[in-house]
Amino acid sequence: KAGVTQTPRYLIKTRGQQVTLSCSPISGHRSVSWYQQTPGQGLQFLFEYFSETQRNKGNFPGRFSGRQFSNSRSEMNVSTLELGDSALYLCASFRQGQETQYFGPGTRLLVL
Amino acid sequence: GENVEQHPSTLSVQEGDSAVIKCTYSDSASNYFPWYKQELGKGPQLIIDIRSNVGEKKDQRIAVTLNKTAKHFSLHITETQPEDSAVYFCAGHPVAGGTSYGKLTFGQGTILTVHP
Repeated sequence: KAGVTQTPRYLIKTRGQQVTLSCSPISGHRSVSWYQQTPGQGLQFLFEYFSETQRNKGNFPGRFSGRQFSNSRSEMNVSTLELGDSALYLCASFRQGQETQYFGPGTRLLVL
Repeated sequence: GENVEQHPSTLSVQEGDSAVIKCTYSDSASNYFPWYKQELGKGPQLIIDIRSNVGEKKDQRIAVTLNKTAKHFSLHITETQPEDSAVYFCAGHPVAGGTSYGKLTFGQGTILTVHP
């Protein structure tokens, strides 16, 4: 059974640009959560989607947004990139009604 | 909201020794506590988890204990091996009216080094 996949794996952008990251959950998982991982702040929750609806959102500015498609694939978008947005962005999928989250390998974003 | 504190931040042991990592949480409504192992260049991998209705859980060399009264839980790794070297994260899962379902609050991480 394939795990969570994330694309691209690495990305370099400049300040002011925007970026879109993609996540494909494990087959049968309809819930997706996104996290930002940085050395200073650790792993922080961004948002969670189930059945194309955002159910929960972390404490991040409106520049961070996401969506989920009918096939459960999810994307997150960061607009007007700042240097501080450089991080590893992790996606996790899980079954509705279960707590166990399975993480993908992440997308490493570098903002110059 | 939930706050999870994790100690120590670094842990160095000799191969064959035991390693213990401790976490405390603030939200008494939290009822699910997973532990993840993250190797360089990879995403976190679930290694064990425990729910609040259980005090201890074991899987081969790995065990987790939970003290709900004191709001702390610990990861125990016995007979450590060099391949156990990684960053370990604890997490808490608060539930508040069903709206926090997908939100894990993580500890700061422990860098475990096992010396051969």
